[in-house]
Amino acid sequence: EVQLVESGGGLIQPGESLRLSCAVSGFAVSGDFMGWVRQAPGRGPEWVSVIYTAGTRFYGDSVRGRFIISRDVSENTLYLQMNSLRAEDTAVYYCARAIRGYLAGAYFFYFDSWGPGTLVTVSS
Amino acid sequence: SYELTQPPSVSVSPGQTASISCSGDKLGGNYVSWYQQKPGQSPVLVICQDNIRRMRFPERFSGSKSGNTATLTISGTQALDEADYFCQTWDSNTVIFGGGTKLSVL
Repeated sequence: EVQLVESGGGLIQPGESLRLSCAVSGFAVSGDFMGWVRQAPGRGPEWVSVIYTAGTRFYGDSVRGRFIISRDVSENTLYLQMNSLRAEDTAVYYCARAIRGYLAGAYFFYFDSWGPGTLVTVSS
Repeated sequence: SYELTQPPSVSVSPGQTASISCSGDKLGGNYVSWYQQKPGQSPVLVICQDNIRRMRFPERFSGSKSGNTATLTISGTQALDEADYFCQTWDSNTVIFGGGTKLSVL
């Protein structure tokens, strides 16, 4: 059974750093595309970052240069290192497994499994 | 990247058909997925690759796309379908979500 469980959220002051973890079971974190999506209170989801099977990483405009996605194959865990946190980073952070493929001349990409999320609150 | 636009809310009577639209400038050339999210829960994938329904969802859920507009259709809407629905696409290594539509079953 596929399971993803996030941890590491909490209350943190602006400018500080926090690392989120996502423990994965039922598949290999290195064998699939993995990503982080966040959702601020009352808002829709916002893509944060994705790491491809080859290790290539991409980031959303609002976090590029501050956040780093990584994975530990031995622990089968996905991470999100968040630096220089701002009030607008306050959100529930979800890790998710992604599926990407190429069909009829176009790529498809979607998140097929999600964790329950962990809340990050940035406030003084 | 670009934006995906959804209506903020859609209301439907039980048993009627609900249609939720999602529009974007380049959507015609990109595949669309749809997610359902109920209060306090994580999003759940409903439709991928424009029109492929996940098995956990009944046949009354369907997806379609015409030009730059995708549509999630729920036929015979039931009270348990009341939720937020988000569309999502991928373009140039960027994931884009729509703002979401709150479906009310009145």
